[in-house]
Amino acid sequence: AQSVTQLGSHVSVSEGALVLLRCNYSSSVPPYLFWYVQYPNQGLQLLLKYTSAATLVKGINGFEAEFKKSETSFHLTKPSAHMSDAAEYFCAVSESDYKLSFGAGTTVTVRA
Amino acid sequence: SQTIHQWPATLVQPVGSPLSLECTVEGTSNPNLYWYRQAAGRGLQLLFYSVGIGQISSEVPQNLSASRPQDRQFILSSKKLLLSDSGFYLCAWSVNGLYGYTFGSGTRLTVV
Repeated sequence: AQSVTQLGSHVSVSEGALVLLRCNYSSSVPPYLFWYVQYPNQGLQLLLKYTSAATLVKGINGFEAEFKKSETSFHLTKPSAHMSDAAEYFCAVSESDYKLSFGAGTTVTVRA
Repeated sequence: SQTIHQWPATLVQPVGSPLSLECTVEGTSNPNLYWYRQAAGRGLQLLFYSVGIGQISSEVPQNLSASRPQDRQFILSSKKLLLSDSGFYLCAWSVNGLYGYTFGSGTRLTVV
């Protein structure tokens, strides 16, 4: 079965600093991978997805992620954090043609 | 365009009372539908999913049930709420899990 592991349940960064959220996956087939963001008391919003095209995927709000098959990773980055990036972030992998498997989530706080 | 509606946004219910949360999708046909719960510190827990009218799969044993009376309607119910049913409930839909989910805005349920 496919699964994802998010390293670090909490990440704190200074405004303007690099944001790096780590995600490793396990999959017996070529994976489809996703990053979602959740703001307090809201649903999850798709940031970006990897569907076996380009390995560097650009998403909304200045985020991007790189698929590295050799490392089974799909880390999410943003060069310069904004206060508005404070949220919870979830990595997910397609488990089948109708189910995703989600990581436990990483909460990002941004210090002024 | 496709939209997903979930209501109510917040709900406070006494222990032992019934529950009905509704989710509807517009702009697509035969979607896969999902109910998730987020409890503090427990990440995203898949409760039910449905790939068609009347087809419900339960992921975890619990005090809840789900129904899909129409193609684009998904209902989460309970006959008697428990304190442990408190949490943030999210509905989602997909055409194909390989392309990710679209989430509703969520319902914050507090059982008192």
